[in-house]
Amino acid sequence: KAGVTQTPRYLIKTRGQQVTLSCSPISGHRSVSWYQQTPGQGLQFLFEYFSETQRNKGNFPGRFSGRQFSNSRSEMNVSTLELGDSALYLCASSFNRGGNTGELFFGEGSRLTVL
Amino acid sequence: QQQVKQSPQSLIVQKGGISIINCAYENTAFDYFPWYQQFPGKGPALLIAIRPDVSEKKEGRFTISFNKSAKQFSLHIMDSQPGDSATYFCAASMSNTGKLIFGQGTTLQVKP
Repeated sequence: KAGVTQTPRYLIKTRGQQVTLSCSPISGHRSVSWYQQTPGQGLQFLFEYFSETQRNKGNFPGRFSGRQFSNSRSEMNVSTLELGDSALYLCASSFNRGGNTGELFFGEGSRLTVL
Repeated sequence: QQQVKQSPQSLIVQKGGISIINCAYENTAFDYFPWYQQFPGKGPALLIAIRPDVSEKKEGRFTISFNKSAKQFSLHIMDSQPGDSATYFCAASMSNTGKLIFGQGTTLQVKP
């Protein structure tokens, strides 16, 4: 069974640009969550999608958005990039709503560098 | 109140020794406490998890001890091996939120 796939794995952008990251969950998983990982702030919850609906959102500005498609694949978008957005963005999937009802399976992440 | 505090930040243990990582939380509504292991270049992977109705859970060399009254939980790695060298994150969540609150992480180095 294929794991969580995130694309692209690495990308470099400049301030003010926008970026879209993609996540393909494990087949059959209906919930997708996104986390931002930085050395200073650690792992921080961005948002969770289940059945194409955003169910929960973390404490991030509106520049961070996401969506989930009918096949459970998810994308997140960051507009007007800032230097502080440089981070590893992790996608996680689970069969039900993850975090407390079951295991979260993480992808290897998309490493974003903002110059 | 949403924070999970993890210590130590880094840990060096000799092969065969016991590694102990501690976490503390404030929000008594948390009802699920997983530990994740992350190797460089990889995403975190679930190691072991516990719910507050259990004081201890053991899986192989990994044990979670949970103290509900103290609002603390810890990970014990028995017979630590060089292959256990990784970053470990504790986390907590509340029912029906789909959201994990992670500790800051502990970088474990097991010396051969």
